[in-house]
Amino acid sequence: DAKTTQPPSMDCAEGRAANLPCNHSTISGNEYVYWYRQIHSQGPQYIIHGLKNNETNEMASLIITEDRKSSTLILPHATLRDTAVYYCIVRLYQTGANNLFFGTGTRLTVIP
Amino acid sequence: NAGVMQNPRHLVRRRGQEARLRCSPMKGHSHVYWYRQLPEEGLKFMVYLQKENIIDESGMPKERFSAEFPKEGPSILRIQQVVRGDSAAYFCASSGQGSYEQYFGPGTRLTVT
Repeated sequence: DAKTTQPPSMDCAEGRAANLPCNHSTISGNEYVYWYRQIHSQGPQYIIHGLKNNETNEMASLIITEDRKSSTLILPHATLRDTAVYYCIVRLYQTGANNLFFGTGTRLTVIP
Repeated sequence: NAGVMQNPRHLVRRRGQEARLRCSPMKGHSHVYWYRQLPEEGLKFMVYLQKENIIDESGMPKERFSAEFPKEGPSILRIQQVVRGDSAAYFCASSGQGSYEQYFGPGTRLTVT
């Protein structure tokens, strides 16, 4: 799986949009970008994934650059409960692509 | 709630004892993954199982660790002769056939004294 690079920490004011960047310059054509988060030692929570088109669900939006070498996870209106470590993961989307490689992630702190 | 269940949530063992961690996947899921998280570190993949089969155990330590996912019942991660370095949070995840998103349980925190 391709490696990813994320800033170690970020702050965001409550109610504002949180934009979390991720670089994955060695991503291959059949690898997807996944985002998970881990809230204070709980089990990681799946957020969203995408291949090359922008994606949106009830939790977040995922913006992938045209060359696919970077992406941004957007939480449109951050709340205190969004304080967590956010992991950007690149992986194949197929049977046998078994494990998720969790790097160090970005620790997002939402400030009141 | 049909989420991934893990038990116990907390487990204390003395050095040399055995630890058994259980994971019940989400309803309808037949793929189970185990991860370990040491303090202040990210999760590390250990093993991937389907019913009655170990598919990938490339992340499992060579000795003392084993995993199974029987036809009936939960998946079990077994650690024999625990040492202090085994103290960690162990997370289980499951996914369904044809779906590759993994959904995680709350974890088991193992403390070896």
